Amino acid sequence: DAGVTQSPTHLIKTRGQHVTLRCSPISGHKSVSWYQQVLGQGPQFIFQYYEKEERGRGNFPDRFSARQFPNYSSELNVNALLLGDSALYLCASSLERTSGGEQYFGPGTRLTVT
Amino acid sequence: AQSVAQPEDQVNVAEGNPLTVKCTYSVSGNPYLFWYVQYPNRGLQFLLKYITGDNLVKGSYGFEAEFNKSQTSFHLKKPSALVSDSALYFCAVRANNAGNMLTFGGGTRLMVKP
Repeated sequence: DAGVTQSPTHLIKTRGQHVTLRCSPISGHKSVSWYQQVLGQGPQFIFQYYEKEERGRGNFPDRFSARQFPNYSSELNVNALLLGDSALYLCASSLERTSGGEQYFGPGTRLTVT
Repeated sequence: AQSVAQPEDQVNVAEGNPLTVKCTYSVSGNPYLFWYVQYPNRGLQFLLKYITGDNLVKGSYGFEAEFNKSQTSFHLKKPSALVSDSALYFCAVRANNAGNMLTFGGGTRLMVKP
């Protein structure tokens, strides 16, 4: 079975631009969460989506938004990019909205803002 | 609020020796605790979790972790380290009423030398 997939793998953008990152969860998983991992730090929670609705939001500005599609794939959008947005963006999927189940992470998208 | 502390930025151990990577947490209510491993330029890979029950949890690749409620700790252990265990290890906590939001520690780099 395919794991969580993310695209693109790498991305270079200029300050002020907009970016869209994509994630496909493991087949059958209905929950998708997004995390930002700045170099040298642990991942930080951005969003959770379950059944196409936002179910949780971390401490990120409104420049960050996301959505989930009927096939449970998801997009993360970041507007007005700042240098500080440079990070590895990780997508994770899980079966349920809330449970003791683990989340499975994709390989990430490395975003560099210049 | 929930938080995780990994007090050691790096742990060095010789191959064949036992290893311990420390983690302490703070959360309201009963915690769900996780360990993930990250190899260079890769996403996070699930190792093990504690939800309830036996305080000693066994996971992938011979790793185990011990939940200690009184000390609010969840240390990762392995009886005999391998060079291939060298990687970045993250402890994470989730409150049982916090949806899928994982809070990660800052990570501990494990270096296993031959």
